[in-house]
Amino acid sequence: DGGITQSPKYLFRKEGQNVTLSCEQNLNHDAMYWYRQDPGQGLRLIYYSQIVNDFQKGDIAEGYSVSREKKESFPLTVTSAQKNPTAFYLCASGYRGNYGYTFGSGTRLTVV
Amino acid sequence: GQQLNQSPQSMFIQEGEDVSMNCTSSSIFNTWLWYKQDPGEGPVLLIALYKAGELTSNGRLTAQFGITRKDSFLNISASIPSDVGIYFCAGKNSGGSNYKLTFGKGTLLTVNP
Repeated sequence: DGGITQSPKYLFRKEGQNVTLSCEQNLNHDAMYWYRQDPGQGLRLIYYSQIVNDFQKGDIAEGYSVSREKKESFPLTVTSAQKNPTAFYLCASGYRGNYGYTFGSGTRLTVV
Repeated sequence: GQQLNQSPQSMFIQEGEDVSMNCTSSSIFNTWLWYKQDPGEGPVLLIALYKAGELTSNGRLTAQFGITRKDSFLNISASIPSDVGIYFCAGKNSGGSNYKLTFGKGTLLTVNP
């Protein structure tokens, strides 16, 4: 079955360490997105990519980096420059045009 | 940038009651979407609306795309405990190179059995 997979579900890291969150989709979607969710804040866009080898900053890109070397994969690195990295991270994918996204099940990152 | 105002922020209702929530925008959208998020999971698409004035149902859920293309509402009839979660509206405007969804901040629904 087609879907979008985020791993791991829970991630713990020490302050100052970089960490990479995985996102893989087999839906043949062109576009992929990373969102951050904090209580009461809704979904905030970090980065998005509409085609391979191209990506754009979202509203809160500082302290994050991404790559899009394959259509199926869009990993997110949370760097030590991100001042408050503890959050729930959601990856999504979709077709270009007037269609909705499919979301992964999320990764909860806790930095201690 | 584009902003969506979603209301109410939270609702506490009794099982069996009907629920209504809405979103308004300062910009015109070509697509309106409604998602539901269960605790600790990703949002799941409930209803997609592609045409101004469109009224679409999915079981006990009904959503409408406003005539002005700047608003949408979602109704849930005869609520049940599993309706608990966060409901998000989202709008999309594919004009130019912008294929991003703009999300509301969500409505937290609690259903008391």
